[in-house]
Amino acid sequence: QQQVKQSPQSLIVQKGGISIINCAYENTAFDYFPWYQQFPGKGPALLIAIRPDVSEKKEGRFTISFNKSAKQFSLHIMDSQPGDSATYFCAASETYKYIFGTGTRLKVLA
Amino acid sequence: KAGVTQTPRYLIKTRGQQVTLSCSPISGHRSVSWYQQTPGQGLQFLFEYFSETQRNKGNFPGRFSGRQFSNSRSEMNVSTLELGDSALYLCASSLVGTATNEKLFFGSGTQLSVL
Repeated sequence: QQQVKQSPQSLIVQKGGISIINCAYENTAFDYFPWYQQFPGKGPALLIAIRPDVSEKKEGRFTISFNKSAKQFSLHIMDSQPGDSATYFCAASETYKYIFGTGTRLKVLA
Repeated sequence: KAGVTQTPRYLIKTRGQQVTLSCSPISGHRSVSWYQQTPGQGLQFLFEYFSETQRNKGNFPGRFSGRQFSNSRSEMNVSTLELGDSALYLCASSLVGTATNEKLFFGSGTQLSVL
């Protein structure tokens, strides 16, 4: 049972473009929403995270937009670079565990 | 500070065998959790340990088990391997594992192939 739905499955963006990845959740008890970035052969690494009492959080070129009423959140990557090519996972936390989305494979063309 | 260390990096087993994977968390981290990663399924939660106690478990059959030692190192075991168990098994550590605002640090994983 997938409690966090992520889309799209894959994404191709031109260098300098905006990459947008969306996630939707069901459980209103989730209280922390991180995004993880994974490069081939490596484990996921925390990119940016948000709590549900905040509607937006920005760190450099990465922004999370959070819509609590719609139970949706999204990652925006501004000025996408080839080095951003990786798999991105959204997640939501509940007691002692994270529920992850199925991942989005992003490719940024040079 | 060393990161999360998982051994071995690769494993090839045959159906019916059992396997043990090891995880050494970041020094000072007391929570260790395990995830199974497969293409198209993302990361599926297996279990979480804190101070040698399992606090949460995912929806996996009893063939999947784990434990944590007093030094916070953890092992997971899969018995009677099936082809569908082929996956990347990721270990993550955090300070106390209360999740909210707590960053998970992942190892590079153990790639298990079941033939």
